[in-house]
Amino acid sequence: DAMVIQNPRYQVTQFGKPVTLSCSQTLNHNVMYWYQQKSSQAPKLLFHYYDKDFNNEADTPDNFQSRRPNTSFCFLDIRSPGLGDAAMYLCATSRGIAGATDTQYFGPGTRLTVL
Amino acid sequence: AQKITQTQPGMFVQEKEAVTLDCTYDTSDPSYGLFWYKQPSSGEMIFLIYQGSYDQQNATEGRYSLNFQKARKSANLVISASQLGDSAMYFCAMRDTNTGNQFYFGTGTSLTVIP
Repeated sequence: DAMVIQNPRYQVTQFGKPVTLSCSQTLNHNVMYWYQQKSSQAPKLLFHYYDKDFNNEADTPDNFQSRRPNTSFCFLDIRSPGLGDAAMYLCATSRGIAGATDTQYFGPGTRLTVL
Repeated sequence: AQKITQTQPGMFVQEKEAVTLDCTYDTSDPSYGLFWYKQPSSGEMIFLIYQGSYDQQNATEGRYSLNFQKARKSANLVISASQLGDSAMYFCAMRDTNTGNQFYFGTGTSLTVIP
């Protein structure tokens, strides 16, 4: 089945120790998104790629970086995780078609703990 | 300005009963899409149902239906015959042609199904 895959599902890191979260998709979608979601809150968009075009949200901290080496993979790098970065990180994809009919499909998420 | 408003932080429903989760939206774009997602405690965001602004009929997907009232700018999710597995967070989201590839999410409603 076509899907969005995130690894690992659970990640524990130490304060200040860089960590990378990965996302892959078999949907062949043009757009990939990274969201941060804290407990009982709506997902917050960090950035997204349309193909190789990178779009950063204005309030995304510089501590967060992303790479998309090819259509299928996208990585989220947290350079120096702080306690406030503990959250669920959700990857999503969409076809990127024009108009309002595009649907986002999400992966299972990576729950990040910062010690 | 808030694009999506979900005014019910928590809802309870008896098993086998129907429940309506409220969502209102704000856009001046005539072309937009409305989405509902389910997020169980595991964290994955599961796409449930889509309604386009030009769709003449309310969307339905199995036990899920969308009560779309365009003049009121509301897109309420109706779950019929509730099951214990329906207990989850439910998010309403919107995309219009002005948002590019971005989706706006509401703050969510936590639904608990009581046996």
